[in-house]
Amino acid sequence: LAKTTQPISMDSYEGQEVNITCSHNNIATNDYITWYQQFPSQGPRFIIQGYKTKVTNEVASLFIPADRKSSTLSLPRVSLSDTAVYYCLVVINYQLIWGAGTKLIIKP
Amino acid sequence: DSGVTQTPKHLITATGQRVTLRCSPRSGDLSVYWYQQSLDQGLQFLIQYYNGEERAKGNILERFSAQQFPDLHSELNLSSLELGDSALYFCASSAGGAGGTHEQFFGPGTRLTVL
Repeated sequence: LAKTTQPISMDSYEGQEVNITCSHNNIATNDYITWYQQFPSQGPRFIIQGYKTKVTNEVASLFIPADRKSSTLSLPRVSLSDTAVYYCLVVINYQLIWGAGTKLIIKP
Repeated sequence: DSGVTQTPKHLITATGQRVTLRCSPRSGDLSVYWYQQSLDQGLQFLIQYYNGEERAKGNILERFSAQQFPDLHSELNLSSLELGDSALYFCASSAGGAGGTHEQFFGPGTRLTVL
């Protein structure tokens, strides 16, 4: 049964780099891994997506090891406004498998 | 503003009742997804439609049903409501049919309260 696992919560401080890891089994070679950010009472918002090695955009990086059994979302130099819940999403046979979410709290 | 609209914003009803939630996707998007999010819980994928056809089904109860109309808007019908159905219901849309490949754009949600 496809499943993802993320830490329930994490704390960090402004200016630090934060890494959130998601473990996922049974993911096929070409299935994408996607990360979303959600603020309270809002819908999730796309952050980054990839299926192998490393992807970087203006807000984050995504690291995917060769065995693809996990992925790590990296947020450089976080600020208070990065306090949110972060979800990983994988798709297997059209089934959307969301992680339970990681509540990230950034402290001043 | 994601471009996805949901109505109503809030809905309060009683147990045993039936309600309909409506979603209009972003212009040009063919896929619509429905999610349930209970208080302080993660997202539960319910169902996806692509260009009018059911594409994927998640943990959707038999009391719930959905459809996507020719103009691509979608409705989620919830019947025989129970207290546990109280939640935030999100609709999302994407250009393509693969929910993991194509970026999903989420609406503001409908908050359902069952009393």
